[in-house]
Amino acid sequence: RKEVEQDPGPFNVPEGATVAFNCTYSNSASQSFFWYRQDCRKEPKLLMSVYSSGNEDGRFTAQLNRASQYISLLIRDSKLSDSATYLCVVNKGSAGGTSYGKLTFGQGTILTVHP
Amino acid sequence: DAGITQSPRHKVTETGTPVTLRCHQTENHRYMYWYRQDPGHGLRLIHYSYGVKDTDKGEVSDGYSVSRSKTEDFLLTLESATSSQTSVYFCAITSEGNQPQHFGDGTRLSIL
Repeated sequence: RKEVEQDPGPFNVPEGATVAFNCTYSNSASQSFFWYRQDCRKEPKLLMSVYSSGNEDGRFTAQLNRASQYISLLIRDSKLSDSATYLCVVNKGSAGGTSYGKLTFGQGTILTVHP
Repeated sequence: DAGITQSPRHKVTETGTPVTLRCHQTENHRYMYWYRQDPGHGLRLIHYSYGVKDTDKGEVSDGYSVSRSKTEDFLLTLESATSSQTSVYFCAITSEGNQPQHFGDGTRLSIL
């Protein structure tokens, strides 16, 4: 089983649609969680961190369920510019509680928003 | 954008040659990382550094070595490049281990 698994996609949605991405992680000791987006042939860029209480940034909402080891990202009112690959990212943490920032990436879900 | 510069941006070389990639940061961040990205595998951690002269292996460290002699520079070396090391290499930095990382523009490396 992969440490971080995402919906394989691809997702192809019209402008204005709402789309949801899901992600599960296997290490219950994981400490922090992120969504990144990556445009074609570009570097990953942080979209948002994910907190247990849930958090929202404009049209984007992220949720974390530690009990189910599940992370989600909701995009409302999709724009053409949202077309990208979305990466679910987990910081595994380490023994003793010190985090060295060793991230594990999901393989990504491709989103295409069309007119 | 975070002050991260990777060099070179593109490189083509032959099997068996040594290759060094450089990551330079102007943020004075403690942590630096090298990842590779390949189709079907996503991003995978090669090596990381948690301070000057403090480095450790990631999940795909075989065939790679790193050095960090000063805060701003983190070097990745392929001692004898192989075709399996053809990839896109990303450097990342962060100030604290549990904080998000910020990535450089990447280096596209082709080993023929």
